[in-house]
Amino acid sequence: DQQVKQNSPSLSVQEGRISILNCDYTNSMFDYFLWYKKYPAEGPTFLISISSIKDKNEDGRFTVFLNKSAKHLSLHIVPSQPGDSAVYFCAASAAGGTSYGKLTFGQGTILTVHP
Amino acid sequence: DGGITQSPKYLFRKEGQNVTLSCEQNLNHDAMYWYRQDPGQGLRLIYYSQIVNDFQKGDIAEGYSVSREKKESFPLTVTSAQKNPTAFYLCASSMPKGYRTEAFFGQGTRLTVV
Repeated sequence: DQQVKQNSPSLSVQEGRISILNCDYTNSMFDYFLWYKKYPAEGPTFLISISSIKDKNEDGRFTVFLNKSAKHLSLHIVPSQPGDSAVYFCAASAAGGTSYGKLTFGQGTILTVHP
Repeated sequence: DGGITQSPKYLFRKEGQNVTLSCEQNLNHDAMYWYRQDPGQGLRLIYYSQIVNDFQKGDIAEGYSVSREKKESFPLTVTSAQKNPTAFYLCASSMPKGYRTEAFFGQGTRLTVV
């Protein structure tokens, strides 16, 4: 039962253009969402997050949008740079119960930014 | 210089052997986690611990065991009962604050069964 899904295994964009990575979730108890970036043979690094009380959070070139009714979030990178090429994971957590503190991850999307 | 240290970076195991992966953090985080990464499957939770001397099974705990005797340490043992242990293992820690959980990850251990 995949509670967090990233349906696009890969995405290729041109340098300077916008990259849009998508994520869907099924568990309505999730109320905090995160994006991580991962290079091969390294641990993921935290990128940006959003709580369910917001619909947008921005940090420099990175913006995360949350549509609670659709159970969908997206990460926008503008402008895209070759150094952004990596695997991007979305993750979700719930505030209470036995799931407190646990992060559930999607399968990841490989982003390639071409010069 | 705070962080999470996993060792070794590469580990080879013969079939039938148990191996233990080390994870140490000096971030003073209460919670620690073990994830496994396989190609195309993202990160799957093996075990997690929210406080010392307590831990819970994640989604794929079979064939693994953990201990949490110290706040700083959360070693993972891959037992011979784990049928497909070759994978990239990631340890993480966090300090849950209300609903916020931003986990910090180590650099990972690549385990290969030979």
